[in-house]
Amino acid sequence: DVKVTQSSRYLVKRTGEKVFLECVQDMDHENMFWYRQDPGLGLRLIYFSYDVKMKEKGDIPEGYSVSREKKERFSLILESASTNQTSMYLCASSSNSGGADTQYFGPGTRLTVL
Amino acid sequence: AQSVTQLDSHVSVSEGTPVLLRCNYSSSYSPSLFWYVQHPNKGLQLLLKYTSAATLVKGINGFEAEFKKSETSFHLTKPSAHMSDAAEYFCVVSDYSNYQLIWGAGTKLIIKP
Repeated sequence: DVKVTQSSRYLVKRTGEKVFLECVQDMDHENMFWYRQDPGLGLRLIYFSYDVKMKEKGDIPEGYSVSREKKERFSLILESASTNQTSMYLCASSSNSGGADTQYFGPGTRLTVL
Repeated sequence: AQSVTQLDSHVSVSEGTPVLLRCNYSSSYSPSLFWYVQHPNKGLQLLLKYTSAATLVKGINGFEAEFKKSETSFHLTKPSAHMSDAAEYFCVVSDYSNYQLIWGAGTKLIIKP
């Protein structure tokens, strides 16, 4: 079974703090994704990566950055957390068969910024 | 550009009755389409996917979806709802120009005893 793990299930941070969210997959997938999920908005793509050290902006990259130093690990960084970044963050991975490939998701990190 | 619309934000059915969750899509290409399910406090799980093979796709837990090109629809159905089906369901279309998935806003399925 594909396993995608995220470093924390729940996280509480203060405005202005730097926040790191870690994601690890064990299926040797080339592609990794970070989404945020908000009620009524579905999932919105923040960043994705199709190879080590490669990254592409998604629909809502402002206020976020990412790092992919190893194939299995994809980190999301909030440089200076703000209250409007309170959300559920989901990491996913997929293999490199093109757009039709299934994405496998981690359990999510619920981030609250006070 | 691809887009997907889930026509109902909430659907409520009684246990044992049929389920219908509606999804319409827009795509310039012959799309790949997915349904994902998210149970409370759990991760997203793939229910089923359509990739231009059979138009009627069977998924897990008795769900199925039919791709109708003329109607640009990909509705999700189940003949008989079970309490364990209570969850949020997402219809998703694949964008072939990159590796991205385009997500609907979700439909919350409520099962009444």
